[in-house]
Amino acid sequence: SYELTQPPSVSVSPGQTATITCSGDKLRDKYASWYQKRPGQSPVLVIYQDFKRPSGIPERFSGSNSGNTATLTISGTQAMDEADYFCQAWDSSTLFVFGPGTTVTVL
Amino acid sequence: QVQLQESGPGLVKPSETLSLTCTVSGGSMSDFYWAWIRQPPGKEMEWIGYVSYTGTSKYKSSLKSRVTMSIDTSKNQFSLRLTSVTAADTALYYCARVPLTHDDSGTYGDAFDVWGQGTVVTVSS
Repeated sequence: SYELTQPPSVSVSPGQTATITCSGDKLRDKYASWYQKRPGQSPVLVIYQDFKRPSGIPERFSGSNSGNTATLTISGTQAMDEADYFCQAWDSSTLFVFGPGTTVTVL
Repeated sequence: QVQLQESGPGLVKPSETLSLTCTVSGGSMSDFYWAWIRQPPGKEMEWIGYVSYTGTSKYKSSLKSRVTMSIDTSKNQFSLRLTSVTAADTALYYCARVPLTHDDSGTYGDAFDVWGQGTVVTVSS
């Protein structure tokens, strides 16, 4: 079965850039999405189809997908961005697979 | 603004059937897939399947023999049935909306743009 891996945690200073990776075999051939999940809240879609931002998601969230790695970048990280972020891959044969999630801490 | 709300029993006995309903408010069910996702304690999210607004469905292969999803657009609801449950089915269950893309590749949904708050289901005698 297809698997995605993410670093367990990422730390970032306020105003700096947080980079979260998601790795999987030939991930470039799939669509990657990213979700933000704060404790006690439902997941929020922040990036879909590799780099697209849903309406209402700040521009500081951006995404890319190349080779075996999809990347979520948070530029100018704010305290409110502290949350778990998990990736999700899709293609028409594998369908939906989720990564284990990365905890972003804003120090 | 579209909202989703899961409902159903929080405790199910082993070997019995888990049944959950998701009520959609604030929007139409047309032109979307409607999905169920779960997260067992300490584990990652797992897609269970989806049902389209036309009633067709697709399930995760490992769960296919036990899963049935249905939709009632007149009530703005869709449902999950999971039979022969075991402790491994204990999880936080979410319902979610899948927006559709129509392009040269066909029609597909590849992400979940609206989620319910989730409901905990425990399988225990």
